[in-house]
Amino acid sequence: AQKVTQAQTEISVVEKEDVTLDCVYETRDTTYYLFWYKQPPSGELVFLIRRNSFDEQNEISGRYSWNFQKSTSSFNFTITASQVVDSAVYFCALADWTSYDKVIFGPGTSLSVIP
Amino acid sequence: KAGVTQTPRYLIKTRGQQVTLSCSPISGHRSVSWYQQTPGQGLQFLFEYFSETQRNKGNFPGRFSGRQFSNSRSEMNVSTLELGDSALYLCASSIDRGQETQYFGPGTRLLVL
Repeated sequence: AQKVTQAQTEISVVEKEDVTLDCVYETRDTTYYLFWYKQPPSGELVFLIRRNSFDEQNEISGRYSWNFQKSTSSFNFTITASQVVDSAVYFCALADWTSYDKVIFGPGTSLSVIP
Repeated sequence: KAGVTQTPRYLIKTRGQQVTLSCSPISGHRSVSWYQQTPGQGLQFLFEYFSETQRNKGNFPGRFSGRQFSNSRSEMNVSTLELGDSALYLCASSIDRGQETQYFGPGTRLLVL
């Protein structure tokens, strides 16, 4: 069975601090997709990134970076120099290769960035 | 370009009633997916439609159904509402199946009394 674990339920950081959100997944598939989504207080989910299981290159997009390690089944998300606008719930998710849209979500990590 | 729109935004129903929610994808997007979000179960995939056909379905009872029209607009229906159906229902669209980016609507918040 597929499963996504986000052990950090809530995190609080002071503005400009770096923060890493952990994501550990379980799957028997050898090929799959991993995602991160952001849900700000407004409620609208925002897609952040999709990663294919065969591409373990880390990715950086502005203040965001993702570290994918297949050996430890982890797909961690780091925000550098956090800002108040980063306050949101962040979801890690997993989808199998053939049912791309049948996504399994983690429970989410609520991030509060304090000014 | 207009984003994904969902109507209505808020809805109150009573147990036993049925409800229909609507989702209009971004123009040109052919894939529409539905998700349910509750405090207890979190985010769960409901179903995905592409070219008017249901391609995937999550682990939900038959009371949950949907359809997609030729203009890619989608509706989902929940019959015989239960208290546990109270949730935020999110719709997402993408250009095609397996596309990298999904765009989400603001959701419909359903309260079942």
